[in-house]
Amino acid sequence: QSVLTQPTSASGTPGQSVTISCSGGSSNIGINYVYWYQQLPGTAPKLLIYRHSRRPSGVPDRFSGSKSGTSASLAISGLRSEDEADYYCAAWDDSLSGWVFGGGTRLTVL
Amino acid sequence: EGQLLESGGDLVQPGGSLRLSCAASGFTFSDYAMSWVRQASGKGLEWVSSISGSGESTYYEDSVKGRFTISRDNSKNTLYLQLNTLRAEDTAVYYCAKEGDKYPPHGMGVWGQGTTVTVSS
Repeated sequence: QSVLTQPTSASGTPGQSVTISCSGGSSNIGINYVYWYQQLPGTAPKLLIYRHSRRPSGVPDRFSGSKSGTSASLAISGLRSEDEADYYCAAWDDSLSGWVFGGGTRLTVL
Repeated sequence: EGQLLESGGDLVQPGGSLRLSCAASGFTFSDYAMSWVRQASGKGLEWVSSISGSGESTYYEDSVKGRFTISRDNSKNTLYLQLNTLRAEDTAVYYCAKEGDKYPPHGMGVWGQGTTVTVSS
């Protein structure tokens, strides 16, 4: 059971928008930054969003992040086939003194 | 930004030991905290341990405390994870990752390709 809760799956058709949620608590998302990682099939994870909503260079602006209270969201607009991947949220947990991850959301582009 | 290359993964019997290494290049190694994250086959990401840039601060996930030891040699630009008293549930791909600053948490901006640890008799 992951400390952060994500839906196991999400889907959309090319061009559509999709949102992935991440629910946490007062010791993690409530007081620390949220990060999002994308893991394409058979590859290592890649940082997609940092500090709730910032994008590393090279990440398209189709990807955006937000946070409200103890929850966060990753939004992907203009879905493309290459967005098909697993997406993980993460945050530092002050009670555990360590990183906690969501269980991951598999995005399927239909 | 840098590159990371893990090594040391192997097949080991339950109760055995292993040392993983992560060679860093392309950045000033001692300026950044480092982390280990693992992923069992078909499962999600699980944080294992982190260490500050100088090595004086370490952090562990509860299930590995007392069994795993994270360390670094800044003169060799190398991160280590010593795995002792291994259990079947430690079987996973182990990734090393570079954090965004000298101390966690600053997110993991660079990841290695992973090394596979299999614990089985």
